[in-house]
Order: sequence, then structure tokens, then C-alpha cells
Amino acid sequence: KAGVTQTPRYLIKTRGQQVTLSCSPISGHRSVSWYQQTPGQGLQFLFEYFSETQRNKGNFPGRFSGRQFSNSRSEMNVSTLELGDSALYLCASSLEGGLNTGELFFGEGSRLTVL
Amino acid sequence: GEDVEQSLFLSVREGDSSVINCTYTDSSSTYLYWYKQEPGAGLQLLTYIFSNMDMKQDQRLTVLLNKKDKHLSLRIADTQTGDSAIYFCAVSEEGGGFKTIFGAGTRLFVKA
Repeated sequence: KAGVTQTPRYLIKTRGQQVTLSCSPISGHRSVSWYQQTPGQGLQFLFEYFSETQRNKGNFPGRFSGRQFSNSRSEMNVSTLELGDSALYLCASSLEGGLNTGELFFGEGSRLTVL
Repeated sequence: GEDVEQSLFLSVREGDSSVINCTYTDSSSTYLYWYKQEPGAGLQLLTYIFSNMDMKQDQRLTVLLNKKDKHLSLRIADTQTGDSAIYFCAVSEEGGGFKTIFGAGTRLFVKA
């Protein structure tokens, strides 16, 4: 079974630009969560989607947005990039229902550098 | 909101036991997890414990939960150089989907 796939793996942008990151969850997983990982802050929760609806949201400004498609694939967008947005963005999918323990399956991340 | 704290670094000698500690603030946390991140990779679940348990053992790993003090620990017996990684403590509450909150991660160095 294929794992969580994130694209692109690496990208460089300049301040003021916008960026879109993509995540394909494990087949059958309908929940997708996004995290921002930085050396100083660890993993910060951005948002979680299920069946195309945002169910949970972290404390990030409105410049950070996301969506989920009917095939459970998800995208996140960051507009008006700032230097502080440089980070590894991790996507994770999880199974819903049954004996679900909330285990998250992570992709390898998209490393964004803002110059 | 929920806050999860853990120390940032731990250094041990190969063959010794490692103990990584974590504290959290939300007493309604249902599931508590330890994830491992190796260089250049995403996170992988190591083990988890339900909030109604005090201890869980899984081969070299022992998880202890003290609900009164909201303290979680991970003990790795006979630590090997291959255990060098970042270990994340995480908690979540079931209901309306899982919102899993992570600590900053403890970087474990294992000296040969």
C-alpha cells in the first residue's frame, strides 16, 4: 500500500509570493492533517480535513488555508509569504471509525524556503 | 489550548536506558503517543497508550502515564545507535475527529 505522498519535496519562494502544497493520503484514509515543523517550535498543528470539510484548525493566520477534494487529496496554500514561513510542512492521514486510535501516517514533507 | 512540553536533548551511551519525559495540560486527552522522526523522514508512530492505562510495554519500549501529574514518559531499554532520532510526544482527544498536538521533540543522541 502506498504511503502518504507530498509534492513538491523542496521549493524556494520569495517574500510576498504564494505557494500551494499537495498531499495524497493513504488509500482509504479520509482524514488529512497538516503540520508546520520548525527547529524552534516543533510541530505546530495547522488544520485537519475530513470529507472535504475542515474539522479542526490551529492558531495560524488567515494566510494559511487548505482544502480537501472528493478523492481525499488535500492542498494547503500560504499567501503573501513571509521569511518566518520557511519550514517543513508535513501532511498526515488517518483512518476513521472502527478501532481507530488516531494514529497519524506522515508523508516526508515539503520543505519551503522563503528568501 | 492544549500544550505539550518535553526537553529538547538527551544523550546516552549505547547499551544504557533512555528515558524521555513529557508533560501535557489537557486532562481530557484520550490517546497519548510517541512518534519517532529519523533524519530526512516524516514521523512514524512508535507506540501509544490510552488514558485509562498506567503502563504499556512493547519489546524495548516502556510507556508510563501519570494522569494526576499529566506526565508521560518513554523508556528505551538497551539503547542502540540506531535509536538516535527525534522523539515526539503527542496527545489527542477523540470527538469530531482527532486533533493531535505534538511537543517540540526530544533529540536523542546515542554515543557508541
